Amino acid sequence: QQQVKQSPQSLIVQKGGIPIINCAYENTAFDYFPWYQQFPGKGPALLIAIRPDVSEKKEGRFTISFNKSAKQFSLHIMDSQPGDSATYFCAAKFGAGSYQLTFGKGTKLSVIP
Amino acid sequence: NAGVTQTPKFRILKIGQSMTLQCAQDMNHNYMYWYRQDPGMGLKLIYYSVGAGITDKGEVPNGYNVSRSTTEDFPLRLELAAPSQTSVYFCASSFGGQGYEQYFGPGTRLTVT
Repeated sequence: QQQVKQSPQSLIVQKGGIPIINCAYENTAFDYFPWYQQFPGKGPALLIAIRPDVSEKKEGRFTISFNKSAKQFSLHIMDSQPGDSATYFCAAKFGAGSYQLTFGKGTKLSVIP
Repeated sequence: NAGVTQTPKFRILKIGQSMTLQCAQDMNHNYMYWYRQDPGMGLKLIYYSVGAGITDKGEVPNGYNVSRSTTEDFPLRLELAAPSQTSVYFCASSFGGQGYEQYFGPGTRLTVT
């Protein structure tokens, strides 16, 4: 299967909180896991990405945690701000030679002041 | 650089009409992609291209056609529009196909009635 399951569908946190968005996959041939951020009326933009040989990656306030044995990965946003309010998509690329990204269904995050 | 540009931004089609969604990039990227985004469903790949003259089907190609005569342009053709093609369409491009960042355009919102 080339499915990526994302949860929750929506998330509301207060400013300064740490929202966590989770994704799970079945196919162990996936070899690249990016997260995209999308603001209303805009196209998605790459936020951060990880490969399965790494357990954690940080870029600024954004961290991906990757659990290869559980086939799960998650996005954590430290010290969340109202400007982080957006829809977040996890994705996975299916193995060497593939150019296709399989996207999760998205999580709409609202950070309230 | 303008990045990835798409025209039109909005369009309403009647059932059975045809149209072409335009996409252009000025980053000299070899790889280009067309996605559709439906509410709560993430992004699904329609077609992709790894270079001028080379295109291939993605996950949901039925009802669409593409061509790639130049590196810069990747138009998407809808023949005999159907209500099921009501969606937001995003074009994207990347320097490479293996784990390289995909840059998305601003999208075209298409309604078929």
